[in-house]
Amino acid sequence: EPEVTQTPSHQVTQMGQEVILRCVPISNHLYFYWYRQILGQKVEFLVSFYNNEISEKSEIFDDQFSVERPDGSNFTLKIRSTKLEDSAMYFCASRRQVLGTEAFFGQGTRLTVV
Amino acid sequence: AQKVTQAQTEISVVEKEDVTLDCVYETRDTTYYLFWYKQPPSGELVFLIRRNSFDEQNEISGRYSWNFQKSTSSFNFTITASQVVDSAVYFCALSGKNSGGSNYKLTFGKGTLLTVNP
Repeated sequence: EPEVTQTPSHQVTQMGQEVILRCVPISNHLYFYWYRQILGQKVEFLVSFYNNEISEKSEIFDDQFSVERPDGSNFTLKIRSTKLEDSAMYFCASRRQVLGTEAFFGQGTRLTVV
Repeated sequence: AQKVTQAQTEISVVEKEDVTLDCVYETRDTTYYLFWYKQPPSGELVFLIRRNSFDEQNEISGRYSWNFQKSTSSFNFTITASQVVDSAVYFCALSGKNSGGSNYKLTFGKGTLLTVNP
């Protein structure tokens, strides 16, 4: 069964460093998302991406964040200068279409900023 | 704006008991979708069910059943004869045409931690 894959599964980084979280969505999916879950809290929307551009972003997704689909298969989330409060589980999700389908989530990347 | 409320933060049951997880939602959309996801201790989000706003039929899948009631804006989830492997955090989520944005982003509840003891 096709699945969304994320790498790495766990990343530890020093405050102020740049990190890139990688995702390979399901191949025939058109809509891509990043969500974040701070430990013990709910899953929060960060950004949605369609047709090679951001279609919506939340207030969390500030200038420190960016997304890219560099080669038609990968979908990346970059945090330019990490802060302690960026420590969270980051989930990538993809969807074939917006109506009548569910979003499939990757297994997540646990980011720890020290 | 859309909102999902899961009032039960934690539930603890003994194996073989039935358990119901509550979900109440708010949306101004007339077209919307409701979901349940399971998050086991390993951390991934596992899709369980999708229901659209026009389909109020209840659904049963093995030991799982869902009760969608538009009149009370609720989408409750029942596990019959619970097992230890059902222990997880369960999230209810909502995705609506207008308040979900053009890409129907998901709005999650805070989740319910279900612990099934042997």
